[in-house]
Amino acid sequence: KNEVEQSPQNLTAQEGEFITINCSYSVGISALHWLQQHPGGGIVSLFMLSSGKKKHGRLIATINIQEKHSSLHITASHPRDSAVYICAVSGNTPLVFGKGTRLSVIA
Amino acid sequence: KAGVTQTPRYLIKTRGQQVTLSCSPISGHRSVSWYQQTPGQGLQFLFEYFSETQRNKGNFPGRFSGRQFSNSRSEMNVSTLELGDSALYLCASSLQADYEQYFGPGTRLTVT
Repeated sequence: KNEVEQSPQNLTAQEGEFITINCSYSVGISALHWLQQHPGGGIVSLFMLSSGKKKHGRLIATINIQEKHSSLHITASHPRDSAVYICAVSGNTPLVFGKGTRLSVIA
Repeated sequence: KAGVTQTPRYLIKTRGQQVTLSCSPISGHRSVSWYQQTPGQGLQFLFEYFSETQRNKGNFPGRFSGRQFSNSRSEMNVSTLELGDSALYLCASSLQADYEQYFGPGTRLTVT
């Protein structure tokens, strides 16, 4: 069983829809990271959180430490949000990554 | 501030050769981590350096090695290249260990 599980693996949405990507982990962590990777490979760190909720523009990340679960929400999705979203956890070990969620937003 | 830079961006090597990849972190960042990304395995941790010391090493064979210099720049070396080493190699820097990481554009290595 992978230490970090993401769902769904693939997601297609219409522009304007509310999107949720989920991440579950099985190990103790000090922080959870949400990353965005566009075609071509560049990775951008969206959030690093250890409790509660963070918001940046149309993106919201939440984490429930007791349930070992995090969600990434995108409000009013736009085609430029199309990318792979990767969940990663850090703790006693360096970053362990999920397999990613490929999001396509159609105009 | 300039972002994390990696050189070269693309590289083609032959099986058995060795390769050195370079990473320059954001100015002031002392921690540098390296990752390998392949379609099959996804992103995997290679090494982490902080102030010229290796803090952690991932589960990779001894052919993979790295170092960090006093100016925080880092290099990784892969000797005796295998076809399976074809991957995107990403470097990330952070102000301190366990802080938010900033990723470079990556070096795409193809081994033929």
